[in-house]
Amino acid sequence: ILNVEQSPQSLHVQEGDSTNFTCSFPSSNFYALHWYRWETAKSPEALFVMTLNGDEKKKGRISATLNTKEGYSYLYIKGSQPEDSATYLCAGPWAGSYQLTFGKGTKLSVIP
Amino acid sequence: GAVVSQHPSWVICKSGTSVKIECRSLDFQATTMFWYRQFPKQSLMLMATSNEGSKATYEQGVEKDKFLINHASLTLSTLTVTSAHPEDSSFYICSAQYGTSNNEQFFGPGTRLTVL
Repeated sequence: ILNVEQSPQSLHVQEGDSTNFTCSFPSSNFYALHWYRWETAKSPEALFVMTLNGDEKKKGRISATLNTKEGYSYLYIKGSQPEDSATYLCAGPWAGSYQLTFGKGTKLSVIP
Repeated sequence: GAVVSQHPSWVICKSGTSVKIECRSLDFQATTMFWYRQFPKQSLMLMATSNEGSKATYEQGVEKDKFLINHASLTLSTLTVTSAHPEDSSFYICSAQYGTSNNEQFFGPGTRLTVL
């Protein structure tokens, strides 16, 4: 069973603060890592798909890095806003499979 | 683009009844659809994978006779929870995929099932 770990499980930050959280995954047979943002009562929204070691992707104030050799990815949010409040999920397919294995997510609450 | 709808968004039913959940890709044809279940404070767990016109592939520990999946077209898959019991109460969410590039999946908003 593939183990995808996310930390912290939840966090609260003040509006304007920057924050980051971690996704750890098996480094062997790595294929791709997906980050999703999941707001309450909405569909999970794809943020990034990352495939290359050392990759860094950015969308507005959100960015992510990838280290496939040590098996982790960081998601950064710069200048958090209340609308960033959501659960952030990471997931990977591993070589030979198209299925996604999800972590439990990090629930972010941004306090105005 | 790549919008997936799911219906109903929530359902309450009596023990022993069957419940059908629909998953539709609205603006694309999905080669593959996935059904997940999530228990409180747990991760999304894949239940089954379905391709249009063929039988679904169920994950270990998921009863195929309990969770019937039909994928009759490239835009519709249904999950029927048969003879539901309180332990089937959970959050069910589907996703759809087209092509195989990056394995990206597009999710519906999910269905909250409560069995009394």
